[in-house]
Amino acid sequence: DAMVIQNPRYQVTQFGKPVTLSCSQTLNHNVMYWYQQKSSQAPKLLFHYYDKDFNNEADTPDNFQSRRPNTSFCFLDIRSPGLGDAAMYLCATGKGGTSGIRGSYNEQFFGPGTRLTVL
Amino acid sequence: RKEVEQDPGPFNVPEGATVAFNCTYSNSASQSFFWYRQDCRKEPKLLMSVYSSGNEDGRFTAQLNRASQYISLLIRDSKLSDSATYLCVVNKPGTYKYIFGTGTRLKVLA
Repeated sequence: DAMVIQNPRYQVTQFGKPVTLSCSQTLNHNVMYWYQQKSSQAPKLLFHYYDKDFNNEADTPDNFQSRRPNTSFCFLDIRSPGLGDAAMYLCATGKGGTSGIRGSYNEQFFGPGTRLTVL
Repeated sequence: RKEVEQDPGPFNVPEGATVAFNCTYSNSASQSFFWYRQDCRKEPKLLMSVYSSGNEDGRFTAQLNRASQYISLLIRDSKLSDSATYLCVVNKPGTYKYIFGTGTRLKVLA
C-alpha cells in the first residue's frame, strides 16, 4: 500500500543533543511537509518542499533544519533540542499543482508521527 | 481574524445524537476544503473533502457556503467511536500550504 512512513515513532533525546527524524513516502508526491504539533493544538507548519524547492516558515527557529535528498525521503534535524521542542512531529505529503498551476488542491497524507521527548 | 476558525468544544453528545460543526475561513480565494479526524496521540486522517455541491459519506455530510465563507460537518447517529478531534483544513491560495483550524473536540457519551 502506498503510504507515508516515519521513523522512529518515539524518540527520546537529551537537552542539546542533536536528533534526526526521517520520513519516506511511496506516493510519489512532489510536496512534502513537516509539522510540529503540541498537545491540544493544531499542527504548526515548520517547512515544506515542492520537489527540491525548500520553503521555510518565517517563525520556524533556526534550530530546525531539513533535507530532502530525493523525492521519497525527507529529514528533520533538530540541532540542539530544548524542552520546548518536545512534541509530535508529523510528516505529510501532497500532490502539488501541475500544468503551471501553482498551489495545492488535493488532500494531504500524514505519516504516523514521531513523538519527541526531551530530557 | 484567524485564517481558519473553529469552536474548540468539547461537544459532549449522547450516542445516537446528531451534531454539527462549523468552520469559517478568511480567504475568499481558497478552493480546497477538508475535514480531518484526529484521535488522541495519532496523526490526522482525512475524513472528507468538501465539494461545492456538498457531499455525503454514510453518516457524515459536509457543506460549503462560499458566500459566508464557512464549511460544516454534520454527523448523524453519533457512535462512541466518533469521539475525536475534527480539524478543518483550507488551502492557502497560490501556495502549497494549508491552514488548520484548532480543531473541535467531540465526545460521544454512552
